[in-house]
Amino acid sequence: DTAVSQTPKYLVTQMGNDKSIKCEQNLGHDTMYWYKQDSKKFLKIMFSYNNKELIINETVPNRFSPKSPDKAHLNLHINSLELGDSAVYFCASSFRMGSYEQYFGPGTRLTVT
Amino acid sequence: GESVGLHLPTLSVQEGDNSIINCAYSNSASDYFIWYKQESGKGPQFIIDIRSNMDKRQGQRVTVLLNKTVKHLSLQIAATQPGDSAVYFCAESLLNTGNQFYFGTGTSLTVIP
Repeated sequence: DTAVSQTPKYLVTQMGNDKSIKCEQNLGHDTMYWYKQDSKKFLKIMFSYNNKELIINETVPNRFSPKSPDKAHLNLHINSLELGDSAVYFCASSFRMGSYEQYFGPGTRLTVT
Repeated sequence: GESVGLHLPTLSVQEGDNSIINCAYSNSASDYFIWYKQESGKGPQFIIDIRSNMDKRQGQRVTVLLNKTVKHLSLQIAATQPGDSAVYFCAESLLNTGNQFYFGTGTSLTVIP
């Protein structure tokens, strides 16, 4: 029944490692996003995909690479993890591009040691 | 990004009282605003939205007011309950940016039983 799901919920890893976070939505939405929330709860968009096509790519290091194998999935791969990457990462989806509410996943807490 | 700020980072209210959470935005071109509620350990959840052609919108126990003259948004929660304790975010969507939302810094609401 989960609308937007993410795995894993927690991810602890060492600096320099490569890791992936998966996201799936079963809402039939066209658009998906990745957000980063820092320790002060500030939410910042990282990427937006519409029908598997990259639409928004905010100023994010190229160590972060999103992949959308199909409309229902948007995965986030991170290379050479750094301490500053520690945050909660949220996946979200919306019906389509434009002014529509976004449905958020439960988040993945990434801790880089 | 554009500035979407909140006047108060924390707010404590007695159960049963009304709560008002404020948000200031800087871009007069923004045409769509959403309030999100984020409970501890969860992703943001849509509460209510308002378009720039409206001044007020009501939901169940919540009302959003939009003052475009001073670029101010507020969320009013009637008869606040313990379950309302969460961080509240306003988010604005800018014209011609697809559905890229800029989030405010969040206000932490604590309801005292």
